[in-house]
Amino acid sequence: NAGVTQTPKFQVLKTGQSMTLQCAQDMNHNSMYWYRQDPGMGLRLIYYSASEGTTDKGEVPNGYNVSRLNKREFSLRLESAAPSQTSVYFCASSWDTYSSFANVLTFGAGSRLTVL
Amino acid sequence: ELKVEQNPLFLSMQEGKNYTIYCNYSTTSDRLYWYRQDPGKSLESLFVLLSNGAVKQEGRLMASLDTKARLSTLHITAAVHDLSATYFCAVDVGGGADGLTFGKGTHLIIQP
Repeated sequence: NAGVTQTPKFQVLKTGQSMTLQCAQDMNHNSMYWYRQDPGMGLRLIYYSASEGTTDKGEVPNGYNVSRLNKREFSLRLESAAPSQTSVYFCASSWDTYSSFANVLTFGAGSRLTVL
Repeated sequence: ELKVEQNPLFLSMQEGKNYTIYCNYSTTSDRLYWYRQDPGKSLESLFVLLSNGAVKQEGRLMASLDTKARLSTLHITAAVHDLSATYFCAVDVGGGADGLTFGKGTHLIIQP
């Protein structure tokens, strides 16, 4: 029962470098999300994918791109990292964004990214 | 734009005491969630409140929802050290199409 798996757990980048955070879920969930968590800011939605083949911007999408590779996998890419993107990133998934009675999110363990 | 406000943001209390965390939100919704996060860990779902007047209890924690007041409360009874964590409320609007909008979290420390 892996749930939601994120890699890597830790990463240090230099400004301008690129990287991809990987996320996979084994719960057959339709919807997947990327959040970032910063001290005193709570969690803010970066991008989400309501179903395979669709992606939409959340509250803070600038500087990020996403790919919903298949039903299981949802990746987050930083094309040119900036110090403002230093954060903890959480991937989450849920059954069905639109029709479920409750949209309970299951979170991954988090990826701590530092941009120097 | 949906705003979710929690207060207090930081709470230090003694074991055995009772306290309440408040979560206010700005847009009509009848779906509210509480999560717990331990330091350096992920978020764990605690309660799902899906209608006006909903009340859920688990051990020393009880959550309630008043959709007319746009207010949810998380009440802690006879606090114990193990409940030390950060607690987040989150609101689901429009069928969850935009994911959940989270409050900033309440960092709770319970001292022996």
